[in-house]
Amino acid sequence: GAGVSQSPSNKVTEKGKDVELRCDPISGHTALYWYRQSLGQGLEFLIYFQGNSAPDKSGLPSDRFSAERTGGSVSTLTIQRTQQEDSAVYLCASSLRGLYEQYFGPGTRLTVT
Amino acid sequence: GQSLEQPSEVTAVEGAIVQINCTYQTSGFYGLSWYQQHDGGAPTFLSYNGLDGLEETGRFSSFLSRSDSYGYLLLQELQMKDSASYFCAVRGGNYQLIWGAGTKLIIKP
Repeated sequence: GAGVSQSPSNKVTEKGKDVELRCDPISGHTALYWYRQSLGQGLEFLIYFQGNSAPDKSGLPSDRFSAERTGGSVSTLTIQRTQQEDSAVYLCASSLRGLYEQYFGPGTRLTVT
Repeated sequence: GQSLEQPSEVTAVEGAIVQINCTYQTSGFYGLSWYQQHDGGAPTFLSYNGLDGLEETGRFSSFLSRSDSYGYLLLQELQMKDSASYFCAVRGGNYQLIWGAGTKLIIKP
């Protein structure tokens, strides 16, 4: 079946602009996660959605970051007034069997110039 | 706080066996996961240990000792395609995974 998809694969934006990153999870997966990964680093948790429950936003680095998940499926991560330190690969993952076995999308490489 | 430590780089020879260690500090413990990530690729789930002992999946095995706050990933019969970064991860608060910085595995022919 289809895996997790993300779009765009690459995004170059100017400092101060807003960007939207999209994630389509595996059909039927109720849990969805957003992570950020800088070059040569581990993954930094951003936000977690589980079904219709309120999302866990505790990993969002600032109020410039927000995310929503519509209809329990597609999710959008929005970064407002982008800064150069926002440059990273943004990864989305979904899960059916719980926290430990997550399926990742290919990521969006964000470059803020 | 919660943290994981793993070596930044490990080098091994094709056909050999290599062990990648992970030590963790957590306020509570619910299990240890391992993921593989090739350069430019997405992380891929390898294994999960919730209890002490060894879990085997083909050429890969993962071990956990909760009393030592320690685990390792064992890769046997190394192949060039195993060249990748390997991450250990534990549950943080609520439903977060806390990730190590990753171990880059370099395999020489």
